[in-house]
Amino acid sequence: DGGITQSPKYLFRKEGQNVTLSCEQNLNHDAMYWYRQDPGQGLRLIYYSQIVNDFQKGDIAEGYSVSREKKESFPLTVTSAQKNPTAFYLCASSPTQVTDTQYFGPGTRLTVL
Amino acid sequence: AQSVTQLGSHVSVSEGALVLLRCNYSSSVPPYLFWYVQYPNQGLQLLLKYTSAATLVKGINGFEAEFKKSETSFHLTKPSAHMSDAAEYFCAVTHGSSNTGKLIFGQGTTLQVKP
Repeated sequence: DGGITQSPKYLFRKEGQNVTLSCEQNLNHDAMYWYRQDPGQGLRLIYYSQIVNDFQKGDIAEGYSVSREKKESFPLTVTSAQKNPTAFYLCASSPTQVTDTQYFGPGTRLTVL
Repeated sequence: AQSVTQLGSHVSVSEGALVLLRCNYSSSVPPYLFWYVQYPNQGLQLLLKYTSAATLVKGINGFEAEFKKSETSFHLTKPSAHMSDAAEYFCAVTHGSSNTGKLIFGQGTTLQVKP
């Protein structure tokens, strides 16, 4: 089955620790995205990548980092510099970047203890 | 700059009643518009999208939306609500001349369906 997988589904982290969220797609999509979702705030774009080895900051990139070494993988690291990391994180991909429908993974809920 | 406003953070309807979820957008160029649905603790699923073809767009699960340029609106409707429609709904906009594919999302509307 083609799709987007995110792991783990639930993640707990102590303050001051970095943590990496996994996102993998087997749809052969060029573009991938990371969003953060908080109650009542919709989805906000953290980072996006239009092609392998290239990525751009979104609206709320501070405290996050990404890499895109392979077409199918776009991991997100939440660093200790992120002041309020507890949220639901969604990864998405699209065939290309322009106007294409974005397809979403099931999400990872990160809780900082 | 583009923006999306969803009117009403919570909408409650009875089973079998009309569903109307409102979305207004702001865009300086012809927009591409999307409606997504999210069930609790899940990702977003595409319901339908408008890409400058027909102004009335039909989607999955009996939903449809009409693009009205004069009103800058893209409201989502369904003639008869089912219990399974209870979820959160997001309207989103991007535009054809963008080279980022960046989606701008509304705040979301939670739909409650009462038996």
